Amino acid sequence: NAGVTQTPKFQVLKTGQSMTLQCAQDMNHNSMYWYRQDPGMGLRLIYYSASEGTTDKGEVPNGYNVSRLNKREFSLRLESAAPSQTSVYFCASSEAPGWPDGYTFGSGTRLTVV
Amino acid sequence: AQSVTQLDSQVPVFEEAPVELRCNYSSSVSVYLFWYVQYPNQGLQLLLKYLSGSTLVKGINGFEAEFNKSQTSFHLRKPSVHISDTAEYFCAVCESGGSYIPTFGRGTSLIVHP
Repeated sequence: NAGVTQTPKFQVLKTGQSMTLQCAQDMNHNSMYWYRQDPGMGLRLIYYSASEGTTDKGEVPNGYNVSRLNKREFSLRLESAAPSQTSVYFCASSEAPGWPDGYTFGSGTRLTVV
Repeated sequence: AQSVTQLDSQVPVFEEAPVELRCNYSSSVSVYLFWYVQYPNQGLQLLLKYLSGSTLVKGINGFEAEFNKSQTSFHLRKPSVHISDTAEYFCAVCESGGSYIPTFGRGTSLIVHP
């Protein structure tokens, strides 16, 4: 099925470990996004890529890095994980940042940092 | 700057009863408005959207929402809910024009009791 695919679905890390969350979309969208979801906080934008070759910080970028590998793939890297990064991470894509058709979301990665 | 407030963090309701989930926004320019639904352990999916024109918009699963410019609101309604409507609902606002990233509300948890 067409859509946004995230891997892995679950991950447990120890404090200080690093990891990369992978995201791929097959809808030929130009823009891709990484959000984190925490209880009572809703969705907060970490980083986004409005088009291939560009990336920009969102609301909560500290502790993260991103790579827009090509038009399909957008990865999120935690260089040194901290317990405060325990969260559910969602990748999304769209034609453009404010595209009126809205965003397509992946099913999420549940990350626990101990 | 745009912002969105979902007035209720949790709304319990009995099956077959009507429900309204409230959303207010703030923006100095024209906006697009969206409601997304997140079922347990899934990503968000678009429920409905308002771009322009008729202020009453209909979405999937029998939901509808009404745009009220004077009250800067976009409340979501359903005349008769089902157990399967139990989910988290997010309102989002985006300044129209295609270049702006939506701001999401903190979410409202709809809990439908038998």
